[in-house]
Amino acid sequence: GIQVEQSPPDLILQEGANSTLRCNFSDSVNNLQWFHQNPWGQLINLFYIPSGTKQNGRLSATTVATERYSLLYISSSQTTDSGVYFCAVKGRGGSEKLVFGKGTKLTVNP
Amino acid sequence: DTEVTQTPKHLVMGMTNKKSLKCEQHMGHRAMYWYKQKAKKPPELMFVYSYEKLSINESVPSRFSPECPNSSLLNLHLHALQPEDSALYLCASSPQQGQGAGGANVLTFGAGSRLTVL
Repeated sequence: GIQVEQSPPDLILQEGANSTLRCNFSDSVNNLQWFHQNPWGQLINLFYIPSGTKQNGRLSATTVATERYSLLYISSSQTTDSGVYFCAVKGRGGSEKLVFGKGTKLTVNP
Repeated sequence: DTEVTQTPKHLVMGMTNKKSLKCEQHMGHRAMYWYKQKAKKPPELMFVYSYEKLSINESVPSRFSPECPNSSLLNLHLHALQPEDSALYLCASSPQQGQGAGGANVLTFGAGSRLTVL
């Protein structure tokens, strides 16, 4: 099945810093979603982005489908951005389930 | 506030107990999901219901029994669980499910039910 790798596994920032999280996948995808899981376990969908670029406030994402990667940008980070960021993909023609990466744990210090 | 509501938020049960987790959504979504998440791991898919029919069962042990009484409700019945079943159980929904659904596959998660099996 499709493989998903996220990097870095852990990231520590000072408030106000910018960061880039990466998601590599092993096959063509027709569905890619970024999620943020807060320290209490709530998973929030950030972007549905199988290709192209989207922006939502301080967050933006770019997926280059032909090169099999996606990037999540966080600008001017805040302590509330802390948590785990997951990338999840669904391969074309394969299993219908969304495959999650192992996540990037982000800690933003005040 | 999440639009997918899960109850209870916390559950402690013995290995001989029978309990149920409940999930409700009123967004008109036709696909509902159960995920299991262990600490420091990504969510793992357990079951998918599409139009109230079970469409995916990820070889989950029979001590977990899903039920979809209607398009808004999803239950997970628990019986004879083991301590290793302790985890965060997440419910999610999406407008539709399947390879051709595109953006209609976008998942909305509930806040989860944290289960401890003694």
